[in-house]
Amino acid sequence: QKEVEQNSGPLSVPEGAIASLNCTYSDRGSQSFFWYRQYSGKSPELIMSIYSNGDKEDGRFTAQLNKASQYVSLLIRDSQPSDSATYLCAAATRGDYKLSFGAGTTVTVRA
Amino acid sequence: DTGVSQNPRHKITKRGQNVTFRCDPISEHNRLYWYRQTLGQGPEFLTYFQNEAQLEKSRLLSDRFSAERPKGSFSTLEIQRTEQGDSAMYLCASSLSQTNSPLHFGNGTRLTVT
Repeated sequence: QKEVEQNSGPLSVPEGAIASLNCTYSDRGSQSFFWYRQYSGKSPELIMSIYSNGDKEDGRFTAQLNKASQYVSLLIRDSQPSDSATYLCAAATRGDYKLSFGAGTTVTVRA
Repeated sequence: DTGVSQNPRHKITKRGQNVTFRCDPISEHNRLYWYRQTLGQGPEFLTYFQNEAQLEKSRLLSDRFSAERPKGSFSTLEIQRTEQGDSAMYLCASSLSQTNSPLHFGNGTRLTVT
């Protein structure tokens, strides 16, 4: 079992809609969670981090964390064509600074 | 903040040759990481440094791979006797050493072994 699992997609949403991405993790010791965006052929770019249960909002992005369910999600509101990319979920275990990544969910926003 | 810099951007080599990649982290970051990414997969951890000390290597990292970070600044990743299975994007990242510090990635070096 991989440490971090994501729905591979692809996820296709119309422009202006909400894109919802899910991620589960297996290590209950994980304490830090990150969402990265990766455009084709480019490197991952950090868009959100979350450490406590609940919601965290940053512009059109909302990250949600539920440690009891070992579940992290990312919502993209008012999706734009420029949001079309692969979104990587990553987790770090307490006391361990490396990140474990999921395989990513590819999002396509239709104009 | 000039970001994490990696060189070269692309490398094509023949099977059996040795290759070396360089990474210059963000200047105030004392942690440096190497990851490998293949098509359709997330980045896979290879190794990381705290200053000049290499603190962890992935069990997946064969002994053909070696990394150094002399003086705790830039880092090099060398692959000896390359194989076609080594073809991938090699990503370098850096971070502060505080808890919860995110990783900042460079643009990567794409290796193609023919």
